[in-house]
Order: sequence, then structure tokens, then C-alpha cells
Amino acid sequence: GAVVSQHPSRVICKSGTSVKIECRSLDFQATTMFWYRQFPKKSLMLMATSNEGSKATYEQGVEKDKFLINHASLTLSTLTVTSAHPEDSSFYICSASYSNSGNTIYFGEGSWLTVV
Amino acid sequence: DAKTTQPPSMDCAEGRAANLPCNHSTISGNEYVYWYRQIHSQGPQYIIHGLKNNETNEMASLIITEDRKSSTLILPHATLRDTAVYYCIVRVGNAGNMLTFGGGTRLMVKP
Repeated sequence: GAVVSQHPSRVICKSGTSVKIECRSLDFQATTMFWYRQFPKKSLMLMATSNEGSKATYEQGVEKDKFLINHASLTLSTLTVTSAHPEDSSFYICSASYSNSGNTIYFGEGSWLTVV
Repeated sequence: DAKTTQPPSMDCAEGRAANLPCNHSTISGNEYVYWYRQIHSQGPQYIIHGLKNNETNEMASLIITEDRKSSTLILPHATLRDTAVYYCIVRVGNAGNMLTFGGGTRLMVKP
């Protein structure tokens, strides 16, 4: 199946700093990517939809100035958590789909962010 | 996307079939039924999807009722590695449509 890769898998950063998470589609071009976050023992919550070449669409309650999303190419989307705080610590997951996959959505391995 | 209802947890003996039910009584005619699973600390893994016909692949079988208001995911010979949270999601099959996750079913496969 299609492969979606995230990097880094784990990151620790200090409060107030920014951290970038990359999401790549390795063997297909993804016009749309999605970013989710997940707290322990909770389900995935959609944060934003990332469209190549245009601005991301954020879900209600998600601060677009805090969670910057850039989808500059058909194989790469990035999520930057700016001015991170401990409450931003979470599991961040990206996903992508393409029409030739029957529109099936594939997920990355996820990225654990810990803000200290 | 239509809402789904799944039991919060289930147990299954290793080597036996695991049958995971899902209710989606408000599903629309153009919505597919997708199943994903999430093993602890990993991203969700695609399992199978279908529209109205039963489907089978190397991982599982998907049985959709004739009225499409419910479905069952079948893992024919569950192993310990199948212990995970299983999510049933209904979604219009369009690349721009995201997945909306419910609570899922936590399947525990026991030796």
C-alpha cells in the first residue's frame, strides 16, 4: 500500500520554541493531506486539511497562527507548532490520499511531541 | 459523514475469529464503510473498505448488511498482534474528504 512517512517520530522541545513536523508521501503525489492530534487514550481529532498550493483549512478551535501548515509540494506537508507550551504535548499524525488509491487515506507513523 | 456506533471493547481468544460490529444507520448512498486499526503509539493502519458488497483482502473480511445500516469486520484467525483499537468510519469516497474518528473498539486478543 501507499506509504506516508513522518519525521521526527519523537521530539522534545523547550517551552516557547517552535518545532516542525514533516509528512511525506513516499510513492504517490498527495494533493490533500490531513493533520490530526491525539491525546493519550483518546481518539484522533482532525486539526486541519492541507491542500497543495493553497492555504490550509483549520477545524474550529484550532489556532492557525499557532499550528502553521505548509503544503508546498505534492509530496510534503509540514506542521510547525509555534511558541510551544506543555499543553501542546501530544501525538501528531498526518494522513494523505490520492485518487488512484480509490481515495483511501493512508496515515503516517505519528510524531510524539513533548514540550518541557 | 454519518456517525458510527461500536462497542467500546471486545475480547477474543488467539486463533479464533474476531467479529467486530459497527452500526451506521444514517449512512448515505454514496458513503463507503472504512475500517482502520491503531496499535498503541502508532498511526492508524488501513484495513479494508466497501460500499455495499462484501469485501475480503489478506487482512480481513468486511460484511455489509443489505440495507447498509451495519457492518462487521472479521479477522479470521486473530493473533496477539491484532490487539488494537479498531475504527469503523463512513465517508464519501473523495480524496478531499477527511476521516472522522469515533471511539472505536478496543480489541484484546488473549492467549
